[in-house]
Amino acid sequence: AAGVIQSPRHLIKEKRETATLKCYPIPRHDTVYWYQQGPGQDPQFLISFYEKMQSDKGSIPDRFSAQQFSDYHSELNMSSLELGDSALYFCASSRRNTGELFFGEGSRLTVL
Amino acid sequence: SQELEQSPQSLIVQEGKNLTINCTSSKTLYGLYWYKQKYGEGLIFLMMLQKGGEEKSHEKITAKLDEKKQQSSLHITASQPSHAGIYLCGADIDGGSQGNLIFGKGTKLSVKP
Repeated sequence: AAGVIQSPRHLIKEKRETATLKCYPIPRHDTVYWYQQGPGQDPQFLISFYEKMQSDKGSIPDRFSAQQFSDYHSELNMSSLELGDSALYFCASSRRNTGELFFGEGSRLTVL
Repeated sequence: SQELEQSPQSLIVQEGKNLTINCTSSKTLYGLYWYKQKYGEGLIFLMMLQKGGEEKSHEKITAKLDEKKQQSSLHITASQPSHAGIYLCGADIDGGSQGNLIFGKGTKLSVKP
């Protein structure tokens, strides 16, 4: 069965650079979520989108932005990268009101 | 303070033994999710529980949500090396933001052959 696809899987950036992560949800899933998991930490909710509209916002820095496109894929844009942004970024998707949340393999961002 | 407490933090069991991992909240759990994660990899969905008293099983893993919807347990029967990993419980505690989950710190499970 198709899963949540994230790209790139690994990304290395310098401080103050920008990065874009992409997420392709499971087919027919209409809701996308972004999470950040720092080293040794539990995942922290950043932001979610339902039907291309932002539906909830968590601890997402102002330097980050995200959107969901007409084909339901989502992109997380990160600017002015800081060392502390180094983390695993997970995308998850679900079909609204079914509850089950499926995560992708994650994109590992390293900021040098 | 951590809103979702998992215990134990780590667990080493002999292959074939049963084990239980707990996830406790002081708030009502509107949705409780169990995931398994290999270090640095994705979260594998195991089960989701929503109703008080609900119990679900998949292969040798059983998850329960208590009647008060504040505690969940994950029970593995006859553990195998393939069960090793980090088990995370995630929960919706405000009921209005589906998918905005808080997570426990995880339980690291090792299974000795």
